[in-house]
Amino acid sequence: EVQLLESGGGLVQPGGSLRLSCAASGFTFSSYAMSWVRQAPGKGLEYVSTLSDSGGSTYYADSVKGRFTTSRDNSKNTLYLQMNSLRAEDTAVYYCAKGQSQSSSWSPFDYWGQGTLVTVSS
Amino acid sequence: DIVMTQSPDSLAVSLGERATINCKSSQSVLYSSNNRNYFAWYQQKPGQPPKLLFYWASTRESGVPDRFSGSGSGTDFTLTISSLQAEDVAVYYCQQYYGTPYTFGQGTKLEIK
Repeated sequence: EVQLLESGGGLVQPGGSLRLSCAASGFTFSSYAMSWVRQAPGKGLEYVSTLSDSGGSTYYADSVKGRFTTSRDNSKNTLYLQMNSLRAEDTAVYYCAKGQSQSSSWSPFDYWGQGTLVTVSS
Repeated sequence: DIVMTQSPDSLAVSLGERATINCKSSQSVLYSSNNRNYFAWYQQKPGQPPKLLFYWASTRESGVPDRFSGSGSGTDFTLTISSLQAEDVAVYYCQQYYGTPYTFGQGTKLEIK
């Protein structure tokens, strides 16, 4: 059974940093692109980032480019999101999601974690 | 960026009736070399993460009831629920994965009339 478990969320002050983790199990982690999607309270889904299966290619939304960094450790089956220079508008539930197609970044997200809440506030 | 626009924003349908949600992309998401639309539909129920319903615009994900159907090509897509059930109350999102950022529509809230 595929499982994705996010952790690392919490309350952080504006300008601060936070690192989210997503522990994956139930599939060959190193064969799939992984993504982050966020959802502000009461709002819709917003794409954040995708990292290819090998970690060689990364894509970001303009709203986080230069502030957020996605990485993965295929030996630990874990995806990370390093968030720096956080702003109030980054407040959201952050989901990690698995790409559906093996070895392709261009695929929909077939499994999602339960999400972790990040609150940016003073 | 490709902009995805859903209509309507909200929809109330009687149990057993048909529900139709539309999504329009600002540019075609049909990849000519393989004739595939890089387009998906998701369902999100309160307090839950999104669930993939359809990919390649019309391919139903395993376990999705056949009262759900996806159609369309190029820039115009439709999600249809042929006979609304109480458990279908949710917010539905479209998404393109043709080009990064893989943008979502704003969502359509489906309720029971």
